[in-house]
Amino acid sequence: TQLLEQSPQFLSIQEGENLTVYCNSSSVFSSLQWYRQEPGEGPVLLVTVVTGGEVKKLKRLTFQFGDARKDSSLHITAAQPGDTGLYLCAGVSTGNQFYFGTGTSLTVIP
Amino acid sequence: GAGVSQSPSNKVTEKGKDVELRCDPISGHTALYWYRQSLGQGLEFLIYFQGNSAPDKSGLPSDRFSAERTGGSVSTLTIQRTQQEDSAVYLCASSPGTRESEQYFGPGTRLTVT
Repeated sequence: TQLLEQSPQFLSIQEGENLTVYCNSSSVFSSLQWYRQEPGEGPVLLVTVVTGGEVKKLKRLTFQFGDARKDSSLHITAAQPGDTGLYLCAGVSTGNQFYFGTGTSLTVIP
Repeated sequence: GAGVSQSPSNKVTEKGKDVELRCDPISGHTALYWYRQSLGQGLEFLIYFQGNSAPDKSGLPSDRFSAERTGGSVSTLTIQRTQQEDSAVYLCASSPGTRESEQYFGPGTRLTVT
């Protein structure tokens, strides 16, 4: 059962543009994580958000956890080619079980 | 320090054969997860080991899939009588096991069933 839906599934933008990726669920999670995966490698953690309404910034990346802890968004400002990759959200249950989203494949064109 | 390692990196097998995939987690990590990923897609949970507790096998797609973790360290995922739909990248991750802790992923094993 896929509990987390991400949108869009694919995104191709020009360098310098802004974008937002959404991660939605009908389930409540104790926390939510965002990972980025490059071809041939495993996902790497970007951020963990824990509190409803929490906003975290990582350089040009801004992550927000929904007030009800069911959804999250990732906003990238002035995208760079190095941002290219597969972005995955993961909801974490109270039992430390991870539920990964469907993924968003981002391509930033120089 | 060493990260999570997986072997083999690539495996091509004939339909109907059995395969074993190995995962060496980060030393001291009590939690170990197996996932399956189709090309460019999200991760499908397979199985979760936490310390000495009984594993959570709720994600295993059929009884052809099994996994064990010996001595709380190395884990092996076994797929019996492989089918073409088993072709995917199999990812292993380990974690300190504390709440909301980060998962550290291996590079994966790409399995192709011909």
